[in-house]
Amino acid sequence: EAGVTQFPSHSVIEKGQTVTLRCDPISGHDNLYWYRRVMGKEIKFLLHFVKESKQDESGMPNNRFLAERTGGTYSTLKVQPAELEDSGVYFCASSRGTGALFYEQYFGPGTRLTVT
Amino acid sequence: ILNVEQSPQSLHVQEGDSTNFTCSFPSSNFYALHWYRWETAKSPEALFVMTLNGDEKKKGRISATLNTKEGYSYLYIKGSQPEDSATYLCAFPRLTDSWGKLQFGAGTQVVVTP
Repeated sequence: EAGVTQFPSHSVIEKGQTVTLRCDPISGHDNLYWYRRVMGKEIKFLLHFVKESKQDESGMPNNRFLAERTGGTYSTLKVQPAELEDSGVYFCASSRGTGALFYEQYFGPGTRLTVT
Repeated sequence: ILNVEQSPQSLHVQEGDSTNFTCSFPSSNFYALHWYRWETAKSPEALFVMTLNGDEKKKGRISATLNTKEGYSYLYIKGSQPEDSATYLCAFPRLTDSWGKLQFGAGTQVVVTP
């Protein structure tokens, strides 16, 4: 089966601009997660979709971040306007099981975002 | 311990040597511990999901043990090869609602030199 894909792989934008990241999960996976890794630090949870519904968005940094999941398929994460501290690697992951407890998550390769 | 902690932060290993490193996690409200292997610019790859105290899992030359009572897990690499060079991440699911979410450690970066 095809893995989790993310687009773009890299994005360099200026402070104040808008960027939209896309994630295509593995087909049939209802659970979709967004994470972010700021350089040198741990991967941090941003939010969790179950199908098209936001189950948990407690990790979203602020209202400059907006995530959507159209029809329970692919997901987008928009940052508007971008700030310097938004730089990092944004990962998407999907899983077939219920929640994050016992089921492994399949990760995409990430989008490396650099805000200058 | 409240967070997920991994040590050491990095280590260098000679090809052929064996090595191990630690993940410490909260011992209360334990459900599972996940191990991932991540090479930069690639997708983090799931290695193990461990649930039982005393459990030991193996995948090729990589194995992991779990002690839920004291809150730690060891990951071992036997006979390290250059292709084992990666960052090894552990993650602890926190049940904040009915679904839970993964809390990651900062990782142990392993560099295997020929």
